[in-house]
Amino acid sequence: KQEVTQIPAALSVPEGENLVLNCSFTDSAIYNLQWFRQDPGKGLTSLLLIQSSQREQTSGRLNASLDKSSGRSTLYIAASQPGDSATYLCAVQDSNYQLIWGAGTKLIIKP
Amino acid sequence: DAGITQSPRHKVTETGTPVTLRCHQTENHRYMYWYRQDPGHGLRLIHYSYGVKDTDKGEVSDGYSVSRSKTEDFLLTLESATSSQTSVYFCAISDGKAQETDNEKLFFGSGTQLSVL
Repeated sequence: KQEVTQIPAALSVPEGENLVLNCSFTDSAIYNLQWFRQDPGKGLTSLLLIQSSQREQTSGRLNASLDKSSGRSTLYIAASQPGDSATYLCAVQDSNYQLIWGAGTKLIIKP
Repeated sequence: DAGITQSPRHKVTETGTPVTLRCHQTENHRYMYWYRQDPGHGLRLIHYSYGVKDTDKGEVSDGYSVSRSKTEDFLLTLESATSSQTSVYFCAISDGKAQETDNEKLFFGSGTQLSVL
């Protein structure tokens, strides 16, 4: 059974720092991996989607990488800003096309 | 939020009472989903719909039923609410079936906080 883990559950860093969020999964047979952002009291917003044949995707200050063989993905945020404070979730689409979600990392950027 | 409205935004109810949550979309997307989110857990799929009157169960469907009589509306009903159903419920939509393609993005509503006392 596919399991998705995000560690740490919470992270606090000063503004301006570059940071990395981690996502690991137990079964490398996936179709894609997605990163989402969730703001308090709001729904989830899709940030990046990496298909299984891809190694990384970039959008502005965000870069997501995927290493299927090791079951890991990272979300790199450059030059962090207070507006980046949110919970970041990853989800993998498994071999049955089901989305399996991690519990998220709550990120706080201190001004 | 991509034209998705969930109502109510907050609900407090008592054990044993029926509860219906509504999801309304203006995007004319074919697929609609109900998820629940609990602390320390990822999102879990309750039910989804792939068209009017076409629905299927997700991972945690016990105790829940759904209906979709119109493209734009997807209702989630708790027939007899229990304390274990206290959660945040999210509706999501997609144009294609996330369960059949490898490049389908989901769009989420703002969620409904349900407390069952």
